Amino acid sequence: DSGVTQTPKHLITATGQRVTLRCSPRSGDLSVYWYQQSLDQGLQFLIQYYNGEERAKGNILERFSAQQFPDLHSELNLSSLELGDSALYFCASSVAQGESNEKLFFGSGTQLSVL
Amino acid sequence: GNSVTQMEGPVTLSEEAFLTINCTYTATGYPSLFWYVQYPGEGLQLLLKATKADDKGSNKGFEATYRKETTSFHLEKGSVQVSDSAVYFCALALTGRRALTFGSGTRLQVQP
Repeated sequence: DSGVTQTPKHLITATGQRVTLRCSPRSGDLSVYWYQQSLDQGLQFLIQYYNGEERAKGNILERFSAQQFPDLHSELNLSSLELGDSALYFCASSVAQGESNEKLFFGSGTQLSVL
Repeated sequence: GNSVTQMEGPVTLSEEAFLTINCTYTATGYPSLFWYVQYPGEGLQLLLKATKADDKGSNKGFEATYRKETTSFHLEKGSVQVSDSAVYFCALALTGRRALTFGSGTRLQVQP
């Protein structure tokens, strides 16, 4: 158990809808990262938050947004969903801002299926 | 740009066989290198890492050496077990860049 909790584990929705994925980092970790894992794109970094502020942005679509709350949990909001958004979404956390040699702890992911 | 290239899978081995999973990278600076493992139905876990040239990371019988001259970080294990069946990801992170860049992953299947 990594200590990172993601809910829900599975989500099935329709095109055009909006969903929210939730992540609770390990106790004491200030950074939260979101990754998307799909068969064709592999593991893609979406966005990072540190102590409530956005710190780095990757290949995140404009239809997607995220935030980190004062209690350090994070939510990833996906809107106007398309079939191609179907993927496994991972959250990871780390203690600090993200030094290059830092270890990330991953949750078990949310499997999103857009029908 | 920065990228990681891994050998295509799946890799199928018999128990106690020798394992090598190749990983090469392209980076604009001097990255830290990682191997993460993903067991079925779980998130990724750090397996080992190396932060500078010629460093050797090791854990649970797995080893990888940071080779700057060949820009490689190949994963090896002398004797695999059925419980090693998983997907293995090579990754890099650059100083000042806060996100890991992952390879596409290599699925390992170990048969008894």
